[in-house]
Amino acid sequence: DIQMTQSPSTLSASVGDRVTITCRASQSISSWLAWYQQKPGKAPKLLIYKASGSESGVPSRFSGSGSGTEFTLTISSLQPDDFATYYCQQYASYPTFGGGTTVEIK
Amino acid sequence: VQLVESGGGVVQPGQSLRLSCVGSGYTFNTFAMHWVRQAPGKGLEWLTAISHDGNDKYYAESVKGRFTVYRDNSKDTLYLEMISLRSDDTAFYYCARVGHRPYSSAWSQAHYWGQGALVIVSS
Repeated sequence: DIQMTQSPSTLSASVGDRVTITCRASQSISSWLAWYQQKPGKAPKLLIYKASGSESGVPSRFSGSGSGTEFTLTISSLQPDDFATYYCQQYASYPTFGGGTTVEIK
Repeated sequence: VQLVESGGGVVQPGQSLRLSCVGSGYTFNTFAMHWVRQAPGKGLEWLTAISHDGNDKYYAESVKGRFTVYRDNSKDTLYLEMISLRSDDTAFYYCARVGHRPYSSAWSQAHYWGQGALVIVSS
């Protein structure tokens, strides 16, 4: 199995902050990586696919980058609606998710 | 696009349960589907994938041999048959449609998710 390691597990930030979440794969996954946002009691929502492709309707403040084994999700200016948990997922082979990063209000 | 799961509930350890996921708003038989679960307060765990035509199926090691995925494209419905349920199977179970375009690979990102079905395994 390909292991996905996300960091940090929790992040405290303020509205307007630039936020970066990192995801590392245990082996190269090319660009086969997605990012999801999940709020309590809700299903995950796709933000980014193929490492840097933006899902339709997702605000432009969300961006993804990376390839191989290192990936980042960046929120350029944190908004109140962005406080949530974020997961990366690789789908180069049998899919696996990172452990999640919870973005909290500072 | 809408995915609606049903069939969740409370079962005793060792019992079986079948979840359903009805897709609407798109041509159901042109997209691969996944099941993903989430134990209360925990992260996401991928369980299984099935190709658009049902011919190819893939399972996580944690559920292989106990869970079976299948689909009835004439009913626009995806199923997850679960046997020998254990307490650690307690979770919300989500179905998800994967792929950006029809006939995309089963190894793709999940664009649409159901609302989740809660399965509680407890004596």
